[in-house]
Amino acid sequence: DSGVTQTPKHLITATGQRVTLRCSPRSGDLSVYWYQQSLDQGLQFLIQYYNGEERAKGNILERFSAQQFPDLHSELNLSSLELGDSALYFCASSLGLAVYNEQFFGPGTRLTVL
Amino acid sequence: AQKVTQAQTEISVVEKEDVTLDCVYETRDTTYYLFWYKQPPSGELVFLIRRNSFDEQNEISGRYSWNFQKSTSSFNFTITASQVVDSAVYFCALSEAEVDSGNTPLVFGKGTRLSVIA
Repeated sequence: DSGVTQTPKHLITATGQRVTLRCSPRSGDLSVYWYQQSLDQGLQFLIQYYNGEERAKGNILERFSAQQFPDLHSELNLSSLELGDSALYFCASSLGLAVYNEQFFGPGTRLTVL
Repeated sequence: AQKVTQAQTEISVVEKEDVTLDCVYETRDTTYYLFWYKQPPSGELVFLIRRNSFDEQNEISGRYSWNFQKSTSSFNFTITASQVVDSAVYFCALSEAEVDSGNTPLVFGKGTRLSVIA
């Protein structure tokens, strides 16, 4: 158990819908990352927050947005969903920004868009 | 730009055999970190090792060992006397250190699916 929690575990929805994925980092970790794992694209970085502020952006679509709240939990919002958005979404957390800070991954949320 | 290549898509071995998973990386930075993660069938990502670019010493942890060679930009992972529980997808990843922002998020390879047959 990494200490990072993600809800829900599974999500099935229809095209055009909007969903919210939630992540609670390990106690004391200030940095949160979101990654998407799909069969064709592999594991890709989406976005990073540190202590409530956006720090880095990767291959995140404009239909997707995220935020980190004062209690440090984070939410990833996916809207106007398409079939291709079906994937496993991971949240990871680390203590700070230093590169040697290990990233601990949550169990993931599996999103299926029908 | 950063890039991680795991050329082996799938490997199948018989239990107790040794197996090496290859990882080749590209980076322009002199300071960077390399990682290996394991993803068992249950789906979670399990951290295995972190190595910084200034430390080329090989590392051994039980049946696992890692060989880091900057000259060939490789960070290979060997499992000795493989077991069925080693069956998983293994990912190699790279993170560069930036002076201003501290670090860059992980760039992962495509992964190598290891099947250990009893």
